[in-house]
Amino acid sequence: LAKTTQPISMDSYEGQEVNITCSHNNIATNDYITWYQQFPSQGPRFIIQGYKTKVTNEVASLFIPADRKSSTLSLPRVSLSDTAVYYCLVVNGSYKLIFGSGTRLLVRP
Amino acid sequence: SQTIHQWPATLVQPVGSPLSLECTVEGTSNPNLYWYRQAAGRGLQLLFYSVGIGQISSEVPQNLSASRPQDRQFILSSKKLLLSDSGFYLCAWTEGTVYEQYFGPGTRLTVT
Repeated sequence: LAKTTQPISMDSYEGQEVNITCSHNNIATNDYITWYQQFPSQGPRFIIQGYKTKVTNEVASLFIPADRKSSTLSLPRVSLSDTAVYYCLVVNGSYKLIFGSGTRLLVRP
Repeated sequence: SQTIHQWPATLVQPVGSPLSLECTVEGTSNPNLYWYRQAAGRGLQLLFYSVGIGQISSEVPQNLSASRPQDRQFILSSKKLLLSDSGFYLCAWTEGTVYEQYFGPGTRLTVT
């Protein structure tokens, strides 16, 4: 499974758009990019998954360039409740998910 | 709909004592089941996963073990707890190969 690198932490303010970028230089052809969100004292929750270009759902957008060596999770107009840890994972349909340390997003009033 | 249960929610145990954490899944058949541990302020560490009854794969050698006595039941055990076993233990499940994984509420274990 490709290793992922993402910022340790980010700060933002309510109402702003937040973009969290993840690097996965060794991504393989059959790998997908998946993002999870984790609040304190809870298990992670699936946010979004994509293979290439752009994916959007009611929570976020995921942008993946043509070379797929990175991806950007975009959270529109964040609120205080978006304060959480965000994990970028590369998955390939095997039986395992490997979580890194994630990005701690702090949304300030 | 599917639900996943873990118990207990919190646990304080002395060093050297045994451990048994239980996870059950409802509303699905033959799920893949996972145990993770999360130390304070850290990411998730995959401990064990199981693709069927009696089938356990260990990811990290340590004093923990896992068992799957029934299709939707996954148990994490230890004969003698260490201080380093403290953490937040999460059970998760998925259907088939993994793209979206569903997590339980977790057990916070403190070894004193």
